[in-house]
Amino acid sequence: GDSVTQMEGPVTLSEEAFLTINCTYTATGYPSLFWYVQYPGEGLQLLLKATKADDKGSNKGFEATYRKETTSFHLEKGSVQVSDSAVYFCALIPYSGAGSYQLTFGKGTKLSVIP
Amino acid sequence: DVKVTQSSRYLVKRTGEKVFLECVQDMDHENMFWYRQDPGLGLRLIYFSYDVKMKEKGDIPEGYSVSREKKERFSLILESASTNQTSMYLCASSLLAGGGLRYEQFFGPGTRLTVL
Repeated sequence: GDSVTQMEGPVTLSEEAFLTINCTYTATGYPSLFWYVQYPGEGLQLLLKATKADDKGSNKGFEATYRKETTSFHLEKGSVQVSDSAVYFCALIPYSGAGSYQLTFGKGTKLSVIP
Repeated sequence: DVKVTQSSRYLVKRTGEKVFLECVQDMDHENMFWYRQDPGLGLRLIYFSYDVKMKEKGDIPEGYSVSREKKERFSLILESASTNQTSMYLCASSLLAGGGLRYEQFFGPGTRLTVL
């Protein structure tokens, strides 16, 4: 079945450091790929998405590129801030015809940014 | 902006009680979902619904039921709450997929349920 694997956390970085959170997936065809963020005590918010190969999603300084050849969707940010401290989830929706809408999530990566 | 609201942020119930968790979305989405989130286990789908009165089991439906009488409202019911149902419950909604498009899900703030 479909699956998403993301790097184990927690990840601790100093402010202004470069962030990479790795995400790889297993799915048939061309799934849509997402990054969600969950701030402490809150629900999940969509951070960015990509729906086809070589698409780059971006938002709030975060970027991720849909790499079909490596089945990856790594999240990056050039300079993290304390306010980026949260749990980040990689997810996919498979492409398998009409009615395909179920999200498959990775386990989440907790990021802590220290001043 | 899509808004998904949940009836309570925090809830404390006793073992054996019947518990209702309510979710409302205001963007006319066809799909609605209930997840539970536990440390180390991530998010797991309990039930989803793609239309009024329609429901499908997710990965962990045991001990839960759902109701969708109106398009905007999706309720999760714990018929007889147990301590192992202590968790964070998240509701989500999305447009129905079609034409090759797969739509993202929008989440509510969550309900942290404690069963004593």
